[in-house]
Amino acid sequence: DGGITQSPKYLFRKEGQNVTLSCEQNLNHDAMYWYRQDPGQGLRLIYYSQIVNDFQKGDIAEGYSVSREKKESFPLTVTSAQKNPTAFYLCASSMRDRGRGNQPQHFGDGTRLSIL
Amino acid sequence: AQKVTQAQTEISVVEKEDVTLDCVYETRDTTYYLFWYKQPPSGELVFLIRRNSFDEQNEISGRYSWNFQKSTSSFNFTITASQVVDSAVYFCALSESGTYKYIFGTGTRLKVLA
Repeated sequence: DGGITQSPKYLFRKEGQNVTLSCEQNLNHDAMYWYRQDPGQGLRLIYYSQIVNDFQKGDIAEGYSVSREKKESFPLTVTSAQKNPTAFYLCASSMRDRGRGNQPQHFGDGTRLSIL
Repeated sequence: AQKVTQAQTEISVVEKEDVTLDCVYETRDTTYYLFWYKQPPSGELVFLIRRNSFDEQNEISGRYSWNFQKSTSSFNFTITASQVVDSAVYFCALSESGTYKYIFGTGTRLKVLA
């Protein structure tokens, strides 16, 4: 079955530590996204990538980094510079608009990150 | 600027009641797309519907229906005869044509009580 796989489901970070969240998709989608979800604040965009080796900052990119070396993979690193990383992180992907307009996003199951 | 407002933070209904979730959006573009997603307790967002700005026809899918009104910039979602399994957080989202960005509302938590 095609879909998006996020791992791990739960992650704990120590002070001063960088952690990496994995996101893999087998939907052959061009675009991939990372969102952060906090209670009562909906989804906020961290980074997105339209094609391999290219990505753009979203609304809350500070303290995060990404890479897009393969079409299928878009890992997110939460660095020690992110002082309040406790949140639910969602990865998404979508098809490129090939004359059919903006397509819906497909989401993974999410990773819940907490501070130790 | 793009913006999506879901003013209802939480709604509780008794099973079999009808319920409407409101979504109001702002955009300067004439071509845009609106979406509704369901987020059950498991966390994954599930796509429900996509509507483009040129199609104002209302849509019905089983117990779900959507009312798109450009005159009031609203895209409301109604669940008829609600069921406990409808309990979830529902998000409305907007994306302008030619962009890769999707703007989400803050979500409405629906609780359907047995």
